[in-house]
Amino acid sequence: DVKVTQSSRYLVKRTGEKVFLECVQDMDHENMFWYRQDPGLGLRLIYFSYDVKMKEKGDIPEGYSVSREKKERFSLILESASTNQTSMYLCASSPGGLGAYEQYFGPGTRLTVT
Amino acid sequence: AQSVTQLGSHVSVSEGALVLLRCNYSSSVPPYLFWYVQYPNQGLQLLLKYTTGATLVKGINGFEAEFKKSETSFHLTKPSAHMSDAAEYFCAVSGPGGFKTIFGAGTRLFVKA
Repeated sequence: DVKVTQSSRYLVKRTGEKVFLECVQDMDHENMFWYRQDPGLGLRLIYFSYDVKMKEKGDIPEGYSVSREKKERFSLILESASTNQTSMYLCASSPGGLGAYEQYFGPGTRLTVT
Repeated sequence: AQSVTQLGSHVSVSEGALVLLRCNYSSSVPPYLFWYVQYPNQGLQLLLKYTTGATLVKGINGFEAEFKKSETSFHLTKPSAHMSDAAEYFCAVSGPGGFKTIFGAGTRLFVKA
């Protein structure tokens, strides 16, 4: 079974702090994704990566950056956390190529910024 | 451009009743369509997907969905609801490669005893 793990289930940070959310997948997937999930808005893509050191902006990249130094690990960074970044953050991975591959999700990190 | 609309943010059914969750999509290319389920405090997991071929797709836990190109729909059904089906359901659309999968806003299913 594909396993996607996220470093924390719950996180509380203060405004202005730098926040790191880590995601690790164990199935050698090329693609990795970071989403935020808010009630009534579904999942919105923040960033994705299709290869080591490669990244592409999603629909809402402002205030976020990412890092992918190893194939299995994809980190989301909030450079200076703000209260409007309080949300559920979901990491996902999928195989590369042109097939109709589903995404495999981690359990999520619920981030509260106070 | 692709988009997904899920009709109804909340759906309530009685145990044993038919479950019908509606999803309409728009896509400028032949779509790949997915239904995911999210149980409380968990990530999303795949229920079923449509790529090409047979338009009636069967998934896990007795769910199925039918791709209707003429109606641009991909509604999710289950003949008989179970209490364990209570969860949030997301319809999603993507194109080749799976990049930029677009998710609907989600429908929360409640099952009454």
